[in-house]
Amino acid sequence: KNQVEQSPQSLIILEGKNCTLQCNYTVSPFSNLRWYKQDTGRGPVSLTIMTFSENTKSNGRYTATLDADTKQSSLHITASQLSDSASYICVVSESGGSYIPTFGRGTSLIVHP
Amino acid sequence: GAGVSQTPSNKVTEKGKYVELRCDPISGHTALYWYRQSLGQGPEFLIYFQGTGAADDSGLPNDRFFAVRPEGSVSTLKIQRTERGDSAVYLCASSLRAGGLTSTDTQYFGPGTRLTVL
Repeated sequence: KNQVEQSPQSLIILEGKNCTLQCNYTVSPFSNLRWYKQDTGRGPVSLTIMTFSENTKSNGRYTATLDADTKQSSLHITASQLSDSASYICVVSESGGSYIPTFGRGTSLIVHP
Repeated sequence: GAGVSQTPSNKVTEKGKYVELRCDPISGHTALYWYRQSLGQGPEFLIYFQGTGAADDSGLPNDRFFAVRPEGSVSTLKIQRTERGDSAVYLCASSLRAGGLTSTDTQYFGPGTRLTVL
């Protein structure tokens, strides 16, 4: 069964600090991995999309990495801001016909001033 | 509009009633997706449209759930004989091309409809 596990479940950091969120998956065959940011009461917003051949992608202060061999991804947030407080969701899609993406439960990040 | 819109934003209904949830995708987007998100969970795939046709409806939990997209733009998710377990946020997303969920096209999400079944 395809699974996406995210850690930690929640994280509290001080404004200006860096943090790294983890995503492990068992989805196979792999097509792509996406990181989303979801503010409370809003729909998810795409941060990065990575395919098998990509091992890092940046979007401003967000940098995602992918190790397709170990089936792990991380999202690194640099110089955190109060507006980074949100849930960060990892989503992995299969290749080869199945259109069902597998979502992680998300990591809840709180940035304190 | 500038983004994906969903109406209503909140819907409270009684067990056994019928509800319709509407999604207006970004103009010109061929693909449209419905997801369901329970509290503290990630979204769960329900159904995906390419144009007017449902390309994959394998995520619909049972035959009380049905979705249509008759003109290839607006979509309606219909739930019959609602149950308390149907309470969740229903999210809609659209993407430009009909490449399926395996494509790398960005999916743009709406704000969701919060459904509460009493």
